[in-house]
Amino acid sequence: GAGVSQSPRYKVAKRGQDVALRCDPISGHVSLFWYQQALGQGPEFLTYFQNEAQLDKSGLPSDRFFAERPEGSVSTLKIQRTQQEDSAVYLCASSSRTGGNGYTFGSGTRLTVV
Amino acid sequence: GQQVMQIPQYQHVQEGEDFTTYCNSSTTLSNIQWYKQRPGGHPVFLIQLVKSGEVKKQKRLTFQFGEAKKNSSLHITATQTTDVGTYFCAGRTNAGKSTFGDGTTLTVKP
Repeated sequence: GAGVSQSPRYKVAKRGQDVALRCDPISGHVSLFWYQQALGQGPEFLTYFQNEAQLDKSGLPSDRFFAERPEGSVSTLKIQRTQQEDSAVYLCASSSRTGGNGYTFGSGTRLTVV
Repeated sequence: GQQVMQIPQYQHVQEGEDFTTYCNSSTTLSNIQWYKQRPGGHPVFLIQLVKSGEVKKQKRLTFQFGEAKKNSSLHITATQTTDVGTYFCAGRTNAGKSTFGDGTTLTVKP
C-alpha cells in the first residue's frame, strides 16, 4: 500500500482483557518497528523486526506484550491481561533496509484500558 | 541505556520569529533523524543526518549534526502558522533502533 496501515484506530479494553493490534507496513519495507507513545512524550521503542525475524524486543514492558511478523509483512502486537498503564498510542513504523528515508509511521492505535 | 534529551520542551513564538530546538544524546550516534508531529497526528520524517558536522537545509529549516555526533539542532527561520507541531529528534546507534527525545512543541501566534 501507499502508507503504513494500522487497525483498529481506537480500542477500548476492560482491564484484564487481551487485545491485538495490527500493522500493515509499506510493501517491500523489510524493517518494522513498534513504538508506544504516552501523551506529551516521545515514542518509546518496543520491538523491531527485519523481515520475519524479531531482532530486538528489549523495549517490551513485560511478558504480557508479544509481537509477531510471521511472513515478514503484516505484524501483530498482542497485549495480554491489559492494565491501565497500558493506555497509550501504539505506533507502527516501517523502513527500507537502508533506512535512509527514515521511518514511515502509521496513524497509530489509541488504546484505552478502563 | 541510551538517552536522548531535547530542549526546550515548549516554545511559543510570534509569527515571523525564528525557532531553534536542541537535541543531545548520552552516546555517540551513527545517525540522527528529525520528525514533525502535528496535533492528533503521527510523526512524519523530515530528514536524516549521518556525517559529523553535517548541515542540511529544507527551505526555512536548517538541520545540524554536531562534530562529536552526540548533538543536533533544528532551526526554523521566520516561523509560519503551518510550522505548529511537536518536533522530535531520534538518535540511532549501531544497535539498529532509534531512540526518540520527548520533543519540542512549537506554537505560533499569528
